[in-house]
Amino acid sequence: AIVLNQSPSSIVASQGEKVTITCRASSSISSNYLHWYQQKPGAFPKLVIYSTSYRASGIPSRFSGSGSGTSYSFTISRVEAEDVATYYCQQGSSNPLTFGSGTKLEIK
Amino acid sequence: QVQLQQSGAELTKPGSSVKISCKASGYTFTSYDISWIKQRPGQALEWIGAINPGSGGTGYNEKFKGKATLTVDKSSSTAFMQLSSLTPEDTAVYYCANNNYYWYFDFWGPGTMVTVSS
Repeated sequence: AIVLNQSPSSIVASQGEKVTITCRASSSISSNYLHWYQQKPGAFPKLVIYSTSYRASGIPSRFSGSGSGTSYSFTISRVEAEDVATYYCQQGSSNPLTFGSGTKLEIK
Repeated sequence: QVQLQQSGAELTKPGSSVKISCKASGYTFTSYDISWIKQRPGQALEWIGAINPGSGGTGYNEKFKGKATLTVDKSSSTAFMQLSSLTPEDTAVYYCANNNYYWYFDFWGPGTMVTVSS
């Protein structure tokens, strides 16, 4: 199975600050198959970025993604209070599909 | 609009089985695979497997073979997941979600909480 090592496990940021989450895969993944989700407390996950860098429908432009091979990143350019959530990377390249362990974002 | 409506919470005993449902609407049911995803309290997400509603073909995470069985009823646009030989480690929220071509999940159900307790 492809293991996704996500870091950091938690972030405390101020509103307006830039935050970046990294996701490192144990094997190379085509960039088409690396995706990011936002899960707010008590809610189901929501697709934010698909295929490394494409924003899902309705996602603000402050969210972005990049990467290739085994190293991927997810960035919020200016954090807002509504961004408080846990963020997960996910690979769809091989069975079993796997998720990172999550990054919990809190606001100072 | 695409909606995935899941069945209600279940409280079950160790050793029993449970079958939860995911009713799709707002799109052609056979157009997208449906996956099932497990989330234990405070834990990360685990992919259980997926089913193609058109063919009934399935793919499972090896970890859940023998634990989960995925089926569909095309007449009602509903996907089902049966979990067998339940243990407390099966206590979790179970989500259904649509797969897209690159195996990302763009629409999710609200989740079904399954609690296994004696």
